[in-house]
Amino acid sequence: DAKTTQPTSMDCAEGRAANLPCNHSTISGNEYVYWYRQIHSQGPQYIIHGLKNNETNEMASLIITEDRKSSTLILPHATLRDTAVYYCIVRSAGGNEKLTFGTGTRLTIIP
Amino acid sequence: NAGVMQNPRHLVRRRGQEARLRCSPMKGHSHVYWYRQLPEEGLKFMVYLQKENIIDESGMPKERFSAEFPKEGPSILRIQQVVRGDSAAYFCASSSAGTPYEQYFGPGTRLTVT
Repeated sequence: DAKTTQPTSMDCAEGRAANLPCNHSTISGNEYVYWYRQIHSQGPQYIIHGLKNNETNEMASLIITEDRKSSTLILPHATLRDTAVYYCIVRSAGGNEKLTFGTGTRLTIIP
Repeated sequence: NAGVMQNPRHLVRRRGQEARLRCSPMKGHSHVYWYRQLPEEGLKFMVYLQKENIIDESGMPKERFSAEFPKEGPSILRIQQVVRGDSAAYFCASSSAGTPYEQYFGPGTRLTVT
């Protein structure tokens, strides 16, 4: 699976949009981009995934660049409960392989 | 619709004892994964199982660790003769068959070896 690069930490004001970037310059054509988050010591929570089109669900939006070498996770109206470590993971289209977690981005929402 | 269930949530074992961690996947899910998170570290894949089969155990330590997912009942991660370095949070995830399906995680079992 392709390696991802994320900033170590970010802050965002409560109520504002949180934009979390991820670089995956070695992604191949059949690899998906997944986002998970881990709040404190809880189990990771699935957020969203995409292949090449932008995706949106009730939690977030995922913007993938045209060349697919980077993506941005957007939390439109961040709340204090969104404080967590966010992981960007690239995974093959095989679908059922393991997830390889990097160090992620520690997002802190500021009141 | 219950999520992934793990028990116990907390487990304390003395060095040399055995630890058994259980994972019940989400209803309809036939794939189970185990991950370990050492203190202040990231999550590391251990093993991927389907019913009665180990598909990928590339992340399992070579000794003392074993996993199973029987035809009936939960998946079990077994650690024999635990050592202090086994203290960690162990997370189970499940997914349905098909491509590309997301994994849903349980709350974890926190193992402390004294």
